[in-house]
Amino acid sequence: GQQLNQSPQSMFIQEGEDVSMNCTSSSIFNTWLWYKQDPGEGPVLLIALYKAGELTSNGRLTAQFGITRKDSFLNISASIPSDVGIYFCAALAGGTSYGKLTFGQGTILTVHP
Amino acid sequence: NAGVTQTPKFRVLKTGQSMTLLCAQDMNHEYMYWYRQDPGMGLRLIHYSVGEGTTAKGEVPDGYNVSRLKKQNFLLGLESAAPSQTSVYFCASSLEEDRGPPNQPQHFGDGTRLSIL
Repeated sequence: GQQLNQSPQSMFIQEGEDVSMNCTSSSIFNTWLWYKQDPGEGPVLLIALYKAGELTSNGRLTAQFGITRKDSFLNISASIPSDVGIYFCAALAGGTSYGKLTFGQGTILTVHP
Repeated sequence: NAGVTQTPKFRVLKTGQSMTLLCAQDMNHEYMYWYRQDPGMGLRLIHYSVGEGTTAKGEVPDGYNVSRLKKQNFLLGLESAAPSQTSVYFCASSLEEDRGPPNQPQHFGDGTRLSIL
């Protein structure tokens, strides 16, 4: 089946540093999504990307939909302690997908004050 | 504005017991999903529903059954719980594909933590 390879698996950074994570696949997708999950809660949507090459920002977060439609990255600038959590990429295939998402394995982010 | 609500939040079962997890959404979403989340594996789709009265298998359906008798509710059942089903279960919902922007993102509940002893 379709798989998303997300890296890195975990990151330990100092407050104020920038963060970069990415997802790659051997399959083509029509939509890329980035979610954040805080402890004890469900994933919350951060950014949605609908077109190849699209670059979208949400505050300190920036994400891009790869031109090949097989990858996406998420950058977080000037990290703060509340950025701690698990970040997931997710993607939707083309055609009638009924919204079924394929998820990456997640990146665990730790920010030291 | 509750969004997606899952009950219960925690449960401990013995092997062989049965139980039902309830998911309710108040956003009038057509599509609903059940996922399980295990360490290092992200979320995997168990079953999904594209409308009231319809269900379909996802990536890991074995050992689970679902029902969508009402549009706002999606139930996940474990008929005979096994330790391998110890996990965190998430429900999600989304609009159908032909309403609004393409590929509507999913909204998630806060999860049900299930332990099978």
